[in-house]
Amino acid sequence: GEDVEQSLFLSVREGDSSVINCTYTDSSSTYLYWYKQEPGAGLQLLTYIFSNMDMKQDQRLTVLLNKKDKHLSLRIADTQTGDSAIYFCAVTDYGGATNKLIFGTGTLLAVQP
Amino acid sequence: GAGVSQSPSNKVTEKGKDVELRCDPISGHTALYWYRQSLGQGLEFLIYFQGNSAPDKSGLPSDRFSAERTGGSVSTLTIQRTQQEDSAVYLCASSLGHQNTEAFFGQGTRLTVV
Repeated sequence: GEDVEQSLFLSVREGDSSVINCTYTDSSSTYLYWYKQEPGAGLQLLTYIFSNMDMKQDQRLTVLLNKKDKHLSLRIADTQTGDSAIYFCAVTDYGGATNKLIFGTGTLLAVQP
Repeated sequence: GAGVSQSPSNKVTEKGKDVELRCDPISGHTALYWYRQSLGQGLEFLIYFQGNSAPDKSGLPSDRFSAERTGGSVSTLTIQRTQQEDSAVYLCASSLGHQNTEAFFGQGTRLTVV
């Protein structure tokens, strides 16, 4: 089945850029998502990208997709302390054998003031 | 309610007891997921309901775990003969169920087995 991997931890200084990486195994993944989980809260969708796109920008967020390498990244520009959270990438394959969301292990982003 | 509602928010149970966790999805959402998040772990898929289709139970870790979704709405996750390793936060999510729809998550139920 689909396997989604992320690094566990990233520490950056306030104002720097953060890059969170994700790899996946199922090449038929059609939609790829980034979710954010703040302490004590549920997950919220941050942004998503369709598999026919290479890049998507949304204010301080940039999503890059390398389909050949099955690599997804989330760049947060001008990282703030409020960005400290766990970030999950997730993939799904609508129209395939299953439509379920498969999540990565999550990356804990710690922003130092 | 406006969002996905889960109850209880916290549950402490003795080892060997059965527990039921409830999820009220957003009205009109045909897809419903259960995930488990253990301390320091990512999200582990448990079960997925989509409309009237047979549920995808491929993530249930043992036959002690089961889930139902009645009337295409409320879902109950049941854990029988709980073990300490079942301690985790159990998250429910729902979505409209078709392509590229956001999954909305509840706040989760924190289960502690003592």
